[in-house]
Amino acid sequence: EVQLLESGGGLVQPGGSLRLSCAASGFTFNNYAMSWVRQAPGKGLEWVSAISGSGGRTYYADSVKGRFTISRDNSNNTLYLQVNSLRVEDTAIYYCTKEVSTYGYFDNWGQGTLVTVSA
Amino acid sequence: DIVMTQSPDSLAVSLGERATINCKSSQSILHSSNNKNWLVWYQQKPGQPPKLLLYWASTRESGVPDRFSGSGSGTDFTLTISSLQAEDVAVYYCQQYSATPTTFGQGTKLEIK
Repeated sequence: EVQLLESGGGLVQPGGSLRLSCAASGFTFNNYAMSWVRQAPGKGLEWVSAISGSGGRTYYADSVKGRFTISRDNSNNTLYLQVNSLRVEDTAIYYCTKEVSTYGYFDNWGQGTLVTVSA
Repeated sequence: DIVMTQSPDSLAVSLGERATINCKSSQSILHSSNNKNWLVWYQQKPGQPPKLLLYWASTRESGVPDRFSGSGSGTDFTLTISSLQAEDVAVYYCQQYSATPTTFGQGTKLEIK
């Protein structure tokens, strides 16, 4: 059974930083691209960032480019999202997702970790 | 970016009746590479992450009841629940994966009438 367990969220002031983690199990981690998708409170879904299975290719939404960095540790089956220069509008639940092959849709989602940016 | 627009924003349907949700893309998501529509549907129940229902616009994910079906091609798509059950109360999202960045519809909230 695929499991994705996020951690690292919390309350942070504008301009602050956090490192989100996602521990993956139940599949061969390095065979799959992974993404972060976020959902602001009461709002819809927004893709944030993706990384290839090897970690060699990364992709970002324009809204986070230059502020967020995605990475992975395939030896420890863990996905990361370093979030810097946080803004109030970054407040959201951040979901770790497993991509289906290289197609860019998501067959497994974690429960999410809440990031709240507030003064 | 491809803009995905769902309609309606909310919908109330009686138990056992048909529910229909529409999704329109700002450009075609029919890929010439495999002649398939690069669209999925998710279901999100309160307090839960989204769950994959359908991919390639009409292929049910394993374990999804057959009352859920998808149709459409090009830019216009439909999710149909043939006979609404109480457990189908949720927000439904479409997503295109034809172009980067992948984008989602704004969601349709489905309730019981």
